[in-house]
Amino acid sequence: AQSVAQPEDQVNVAEGNPLTVKCTYSVSGNPYLFWYVQYPNRGLQFLLKYITGDNLVKGSYGFEAEFNKSQTSFHLKKPSALVSDSALYFCAVRVLRGDDKIIFGKGTRLHILP
Amino acid sequence: GAVVSQHPSWVICKSGTSVKIECRSLDFQATTMFWYRQFPKQSLMLMATSNEGSKATYEQGVEKDKFLINHASLTLSTLTVTSAHPEDSSFYICSASRSGGSSYNEQFFGPGTRLTVL
Repeated sequence: AQSVAQPEDQVNVAEGNPLTVKCTYSVSGNPYLFWYVQYPNRGLQFLLKYITGDNLVKGSYGFEAEFNKSQTSFHLKKPSALVSDSALYFCAVRVLRGDDKIIFGKGTRLHILP
Repeated sequence: GAVVSQHPSWVICKSGTSVKIECRSLDFQATTMFWYRQFPKQSLMLMATSNEGSKATYEQGVEKDKFLINHASLTLSTLTVTSAHPEDSSFYICSASRSGGSSYNEQFFGPGTRLTVL
């Protein structure tokens, strides 16, 4: 069964430092992987996705993620964190089904410290 | 493009009443819409998948008679919480996937509806 895991409930990073939010996945077949961000009392905003192609995927707001097949990981990264990046981040994987259902990880709260 | 709206953004109701939440795709046709529920500090839980013109597919453990879903057009799906109780209080988020011929249709999320049942 498809699943996605985010091992960290919270990540604290000083402003200006690089940040990484971890995600590992388990799928049968080729994975479709996503990162979303959620600000308080708001819906989800799409950051980036990996379907095929280059392992390094660039997305919105300067974020990027690296698909690593051997480690079954899809960690989210940003070279220099901003205080405004503080939010809840969700990794997600597509269930291989005709209706494009996706499953979300539990989420990681990112705190950028000024 | 690819904007999804929800109405209302928040609602407070009395226990035992029914509440309808609308999800609209504003600038695209959505063959499929999804309804999620999110408890505080938790992830999104998929409740059901609705396809235009057909019955919704509910996830295991979700009461279909409690959460009525209607997807009458390619731009509108509604979720009705019937006989709401305080435990139904939650953040409800919809998403819509664009119709198309690609092998994968990306989901676009609405801003969510905060339901509080007194």
